[in-house]
Amino acid sequence: EAGVVQSPRYKIIEKKQPVAFWCNPISGHNTLYWYLQNLGQGPELLIRYENEEAVDDSQLPKDRFSAERLKGVDSTLKIQPAELGDSAVYLCASSLGAGNTEAFFGQGTRLTVV
Amino acid sequence: EDQVTQSPEALRLQEGESSSLNCSYTVSGLRGLFWYRQDPGKGPEFLFTLYSAGEEKEKERLKATLTKKESFLHITAPKPEDSATYLCAVREDGQNFVFGPGTRLSVLP
Repeated sequence: EAGVVQSPRYKIIEKKQPVAFWCNPISGHNTLYWYLQNLGQGPELLIRYENEEAVDDSQLPKDRFSAERLKGVDSTLKIQPAELGDSAVYLCASSLGAGNTEAFFGQGTRLTVV
Repeated sequence: EDQVTQSPEALRLQEGESSSLNCSYTVSGLRGLFWYRQDPGKGPEFLFTLYSAGEEKEKERLKATLTKKESFLHITAPKPEDSATYLCAVREDGQNFVFGPGTRLSVLP
């Protein structure tokens, strides 16, 4: 069974440009997370979806970041406009749902803003 | 505020030299403690889930244990392929995973 799939793997953009990341979770997983990971640090939550509903977006910088999960499956995270400080790895994860189940991560998208 | 700390920040071992990594947490309503392994350029890979104090889980050379305030990841007779960053995370009442900063493990042949 395929794991969490993310694309692209790498992205280099100039500051002030828009960028989008895509995630396809494990089939049947209702909960989807977007995390940000800076070098040498642990992942930090940006947003959590339960099906198509964003149930926790308190850490998402809403002035420039947006996310959607249409039909409760795939998800897209967008940054517009990108800033130099947005350079990081963006990780998508999914889990079966509410409860104690573990989350499984994709390979991540490494964003470099120049 | 929920917090997860890990120590040491980095650890260098000789092959076969056993050691332990620590994860300390403060969280209201623990709903699981999770260990992940992360290789450079890859996403975290799930290793273990622990739910209650006294619980232990084992996988090959790794054993995870849990108390009310911390968890240990014991590595017995490590090999170079065990070199990675080990992340600890807790899941709290709000359902989110809160991660620690990780421990970078290097096992030298």
